[in-house]
Amino acid sequence: DSGVTQTPKHLITATGQRVTLRCSPRSGDLSVYWYQQSLDQGLQFLIQYYNGEERAKGNILERFSAQQFPDLHSELNLSSLELGDSALYFCASSVARTGVTGELFFGEGSRLTVL
Amino acid sequence: AQSVTQPDIHITVSEGASLELRCNYSYGATPYLFWYVQSPGQGLQLLLKYFSGDTLVQGIKGFEAEFKRSQSSFNLRKPSVHWSDAAEYFCAVGAMEYGNKLVFGAGTILRVKS
Repeated sequence: DSGVTQTPKHLITATGQRVTLRCSPRSGDLSVYWYQQSLDQGLQFLIQYYNGEERAKGNILERFSAQQFPDLHSELNLSSLELGDSALYFCASSVARTGVTGELFFGEGSRLTVL
Repeated sequence: AQSVTQPDIHITVSEGASLELRCNYSYGATPYLFWYVQSPGQGLQLLLKYFSGDTLVQGIKGFEAEFKRSQSSFNLRKPSVHWSDAAEYFCAVGAMEYGNKLVFGAGTILRVKS
């Protein structure tokens, strides 16, 4: 158990809809990262927040947005969903401000299926 | 931008045999290098990391990796594979100069046959 909690574990929805994925980081971790894992794209970095502020941005679509709340949990909002958005979305957390020098602790992921 | 190549999509080894998973990266300076493992239905777990110093690093579960600057490689090894090692393995590279982003390779699926 990494200590990172993601909900929901599975989500099935239709094209055009909007969903929210939630992540609670490990106790004490200030950084939260979102990754998308799909068969064709592999593991892609989406975005990172550190203590409530956006810290780094990756290949995140404009239809997607995220935020980190004062209690440090984070939400990833996916809107106008397309079939290609079907993927496993991972949240990870770390103590460090940067994601490249320390260990990331991953949750078990939220599997999104868009029909 | 940095990139990571794991040339083997699948590898099958017999239980008790040695293992080497290949990883090559593209980056000008010395990057931060990682190996993560993903068991079915689980998130990724860090096996080991290299930042600087001794180029042979030891990790958890009996794994080790060697950083070879001349070959831009960071191959993962284990002398004797156990059936429980069957999983997907990801090499990752990060560099402060390229922002706060950890770039993952495509992964190598390890199958262990008894």
